[in-house]
Amino acid sequence: DVKVTQSSRYLVKRTGEKVFLECVQDMDHENMFWYRQDPGLGLRLIYFSYDVKMKEKGDIPEGYSVSREKKERFSLILESASTNQTSMYLCASSLAGQGRETQYFGPGTRLLVL
Amino acid sequence: DQQVKQNSPSLSVQEGRISILNCDYTNSMFDYFLWYKKYPAEGPTFLISISSIKDKNEDGRFTVFLNKSAKHLSLHIVPSQPGDSAVYFCAASVSGGSYIPTFGRGTSLIVHP
Repeated sequence: DVKVTQSSRYLVKRTGEKVFLECVQDMDHENMFWYRQDPGLGLRLIYFSYDVKMKEKGDIPEGYSVSREKKERFSLILESASTNQTSMYLCASSLAGQGRETQYFGPGTRLLVL
Repeated sequence: DQQVKQNSPSLSVQEGRISILNCDYTNSMFDYFLWYKKYPAEGPTFLISISSIKDKNEDGRFTVFLNKSAKHLSLHIVPSQPGDSAVYFCAASVSGGSYIPTFGRGTSLIVHP
């Protein structure tokens, strides 16, 4: 079974802090993704990565950056956290070839920015 | 503009009855469709998918129907169980292009005992 883990289930940070959210997958997937989920808005793609050191902007990249130094690890960085970044953050991974449409999600990190 | 729409934010069903969750899409390039299930405080889990070359795919109690001409798909759960209570997300992708799925906003299903 694919396992995607996220470093924290719950985080509380202050406005202006730099926040790191870590994601690790153990199935050697090439693709990794960061989403945020907000009530009534569904899942919105922040950034994704096809390969190590490679990143692409999703639909809502403003205020975020990412890092992928190793294939299994994909980090989401909030450079200066703001209250409107309070949300559930979900990491996902998928294969590069056949079956790439199917994503496997981590348990999520619920971030509260005060 | 939403390309994948789940117009019912919530649905309430009695245990043992059928649950029907609906999804509409606007992009005619979408050719692969997925349903995910999400419990509170957990990540979504893949439930079932369908390619546009089919109009039906079945997996146990779960069946997805695709009507390409209407750009509509539905998920049927028969019989519904209390453990099915969750948020269900519909997603669509272009398998030959940018395969990354576009998600709907979700439908919260509550199955009453």
